[in-house]
Amino acid sequence: NAGVTQTPKFRVLKTGQSMTLLCAQDMNHEYMYWYRQDPGMGLRLIHYSVGEGTTAKGEVPDGYNVSRLKKQNFLLGLESAAPSQTSVYFCASSRSRGGEVEQFFGPGTRLTVL
Amino acid sequence: QKEVEQDPGPLSVPEGAIVSLNCTYSNSAFQYFMWYRQYSRKGPELLMYTYSSGNKEDGRFTAQVDKSSKYISLFIRDSQPSDSATYLCAMSDYKLSFGAGTTVTVRA
Repeated sequence: NAGVTQTPKFRVLKTGQSMTLLCAQDMNHEYMYWYRQDPGMGLRLIHYSVGEGTTAKGEVPDGYNVSRLKKQNFLLGLESAAPSQTSVYFCASSRSRGGEVEQFFGPGTRLTVL
Repeated sequence: QKEVEQDPGPLSVPEGAIVSLNCTYSNSAFQYFMWYRQYSRKGPELLMYTYSSGNKEDGRFTAQVDKSSKYISLFIRDSQPSDSATYLCAMSDYKLSFGAGTTVTVRA
């Protein structure tokens, strides 16, 4: 049982390049989330999904797109990377979105945009 | 103004000391209050959660919620070097809002 895994672990991009971050979970969770973590800002929600085929915007969605074609996978895309997108990206999943429900996090992807 | 305010520290204490962490918040709709622990270069993991006001104890960890003051705390008794991590408070009405995290170092 791997939990939540993220690919890649590290990436360096040049401004304007594109990339896709992959998140996979093996807990059969309905809900999946993408966060970014920046110093002094905490975790901020980018996009989330309440089930296969659905996505919704979070707190900081601009510059990102997502897709949830399979229940176990949640992809985060950067179409034209900017230095402001340098951050650590975390994927998480949960069985529901109730306030008491634990979110399980992946190990993170460290992205640097030059 | 952020919905959740947390002093980022850092906090450095000797082994065996009591660690006190706290957060304040502005949204009175928050009902669930959580503490996540994040080791260096890892993802956060849930440490404790509390519903509404009151105290909750789990081993060396005690979480307190005072909804009247919009203030939550986490206490770590008999701190160990293995407690060195960043502690994030989180609160929820229908979505989760995180504090910035406090980095704690326990010196052996």
